[in-house]
Amino acid sequence: GAVVSQHPSRVICKSGTSVKIECRSLDFQATTMFWYRQFPKQSLMLMATSNEGSKATYEQGVEKDKFLINHASLTLSTLTVTSAHPEDSSFYICSARLTSPSGGDGYTFGSGTRLTVV
Amino acid sequence: KNQVEQSPQSLIILEGKNCTLQCNYTVSPFSNLRWYKQDTGRGPVSLTIMTFSENTKSNGRYTATLDADTKQSSLHITASQLSDSASYICVVSAGTSSSGTYKYIFGTGTRLKVLA
Repeated sequence: GAVVSQHPSRVICKSGTSVKIECRSLDFQATTMFWYRQFPKQSLMLMATSNEGSKATYEQGVEKDKFLINHASLTLSTLTVTSAHPEDSSFYICSARLTSPSGGDGYTFGSGTRLTVV
Repeated sequence: KNQVEQSPQSLIILEGKNCTLQCNYTVSPFSNLRWYKQDTGRGPVSLTIMTFSENTKSNGRYTATLDADTKQSSLHITASQLSDSASYICVVSAGTSSSGTYKYIFGTGTRLKVLA
């Protein structure tokens, strides 16, 4: 089945530095990828939708200058957390939209990145 | 307003027992409904996907049902194992193939803990 590879799985960074998270679609092209944030014991919260070759669409309340999203190719989307602060510590998950030949839809998730800002 | 509600919020059962998780939705136009299992610290993994015309679908010890009339879905876990301890998320997709535009609405999940 379609697999989305996300890395790193864990990252610890110092406050004020930037961290890049990569999400790759394996064996399929993902024109649309989604980035989520998840706090402990809570559901996923959509941060932004990235479309290949165009600007990402951010959800209300998500700072686009802080969470930079790049979707330069059909198989790679990146999320960069700039000038990270301890409150940015969270679990970040990407997902890619799948389109079946029959016209149905669905998507698959990456394995997530645990970001800890110290 | 598109919404997906799951119940119970959390559940504790003994190993070997069965359990059923519920998902009620108000989503239009309905495209499909997926159940995901999310282990702690991992990304969600798809268990089942059901379209409008499907009433039941099984994946091993997991059986999902869908009632499109009442807009309800359930996930039944048979003979639970310790490894079933996880969050189970119901995600409903709204959209049509003709429009090519889909919106995904997440439930808040049910946290299941299986005890030995």
